[in-house]
Amino acid sequence: DAGVIQSPRHEVTEMGQEVTLRCKPISGHNSLFWYRQTMMRGLELLIYFNNNVPIDDSGMPEDRFSAKMPNASFSTLKIQPSEPRDSAVYFCASSLVGEDYNSPLHFGNGTRLTVT
Amino acid sequence: TQLLEQSPQFLSIQEGENLTVYCNSSSVFSSLQWYRQEPGEGPVLLVTVVTGGEVKKLKRLTFQFGDARKDSSLHITAAQPGDTGLYLCAARTLAQGGSEKLVFGKGTKLTVNP
Repeated sequence: DAGVIQSPRHEVTEMGQEVTLRCKPISGHNSLFWYRQTMMRGLELLIYFNNNVPIDDSGMPEDRFSAKMPNASFSTLKIQPSEPRDSAVYFCASSLVGEDYNSPLHFGNGTRLTVT
Repeated sequence: TQLLEQSPQFLSIQEGENLTVYCNSSSVFSSLQWYRQEPGEGPVLLVTVVTGGEVKKLKRLTFQFGDARKDSSLHITAAQPGDTGLYLCAARTLAQGGSEKLVFGKGTKLTVNP
C-alpha cells in the first residue's frame, strides 16, 4: 500500500513565480482533499474533490490558487503568482467516502513551500 | 473564529505522567475524530467517536465524546516519549452542495521528555 504520494517534498521559490504541487491519491479512493498547515491558522481545508469533481472550494484563499483533478489518480494545486504569505506545508489527503462519512482521511507527507 | 478549540496549545511533561487534552465547540457534531501528527508527516487517524458519552480506549489512550456531542477529551496514561506529537481533533461540517467536509482544530503539541 503506497499511501498518498506528494511531490515535491520541499519547494523554495521567489515571489511572483508559479508553483505546482502534485498529489497521487490511494488507488480506489473517491475523494481528494487539499489542506494547508501553518502555525497561526492550523490545518485549513482549501478544496476537495469527489469523483474528480470539485465539491467545495470555499477555502481557496484567492484567485491565485487553482486546483485540478484530471483523473482519479492525479491532482495538482497551483499558485500563480506566489507570495511570501503562501509559505506553509500543503497536504493532500484521500478517502473512500460512501454513506458513512466517518471514513478516515489518509494524508501524504506534505510539501513544505517557502516563498522568498 | 475557530470551529474547534483545542487546549492546551502546548504541553510538555515527563515520561510516566498522565495528561488530558481537550477539544471544545459550541456546535453539535454527528461524530468527531482524533488524529496524531508527527514531525515531517501527515496526520494519522487514531479514533472516531460517534455517540454522545462514548468512551473508546486505544492502549494507554482514552477518548471520550461529550454527552451533548459538542466536545471531546483525550487522556493518556503513563505517557511515553513515543507519544510526542501534535494531537488534532476534527469534525464534519456542511460543505458547499450539501455534502460534508472535515475541519480541524489547531491541535495540542505534546512533548514527553524521557
